[in-house]
Amino acid sequence: GAGVSQTPSNKVTEKGKYVELRCDPISGHTALYWYRQSLGQGPEFLIYFQGTGAADDSGLPNDRFFAVRPEGSVSTLKIQRTERGDSAVYLCASSLQHSSETQYFGPGTRLLVL
Amino acid sequence: GENVEQHPSTLSVQEGDSAVIKCTYSDSASNYFPWYKQELGKGPQLIIDIRSNVGEKKDQRIAVTLNKTAKHFSLHITETQPEDSAVYFCAASMRGGSQGNLIFGKGTKLSVKP
Repeated sequence: GAGVSQTPSNKVTEKGKYVELRCDPISGHTALYWYRQSLGQGPEFLIYFQGTGAADDSGLPNDRFFAVRPEGSVSTLKIQRTERGDSAVYLCASSLQHSSETQYFGPGTRLLVL
Repeated sequence: GENVEQHPSTLSVQEGDSAVIKCTYSDSASNYFPWYKQELGKGPQLIIDIRSNVGEKKDQRIAVTLNKTAKHFSLHITETQPEDSAVYFCAASMRGGSQGNLIFGKGTKLSVKP
């Protein structure tokens, strides 16, 4: 079946602009996670959704970052007033239920802020 | 919070040799330890995982061992092949709680020379 998909695959923007990154989880998966991966590092947790609600957003670096999952399926990560330090690969993962299940990752969105 | 250390950062082996990657974790409450393989330009792919009620798990050429007392776990790849070349990440989390996020190590770049 289809895996986790993310769009766009690449995004180039200018400092100060607003960007939205989209994640389509595996069908039927209720848990959805966003991670950020800087070059040469492991993924770092940003936010976790159980259904429509953010169960844990402790990884969001500041209030410029926000994520939604209005219908409990697709999620959008939103970054306001982008900074060069936001450049990274943003990964989405989903799992069948909550924290007890295996997480399956998408291919990521490579964000470059000029 | 949890901290995961991974070493070595790079590993080069000859085809057919074995490769071992080691990780340590800090939070004794962690009970789930997956390993992911990440190829260039792709998202992490789960290759094997182990839960804290098990000391060892094997899947063909791949095995993982867990020492809860010492809080370390290792990935063993036998009969390495060139297609095993990738970056490998270990991770830890606490399953069954309200949080499900994975804490990743910094990765090991494995190169298998033909």
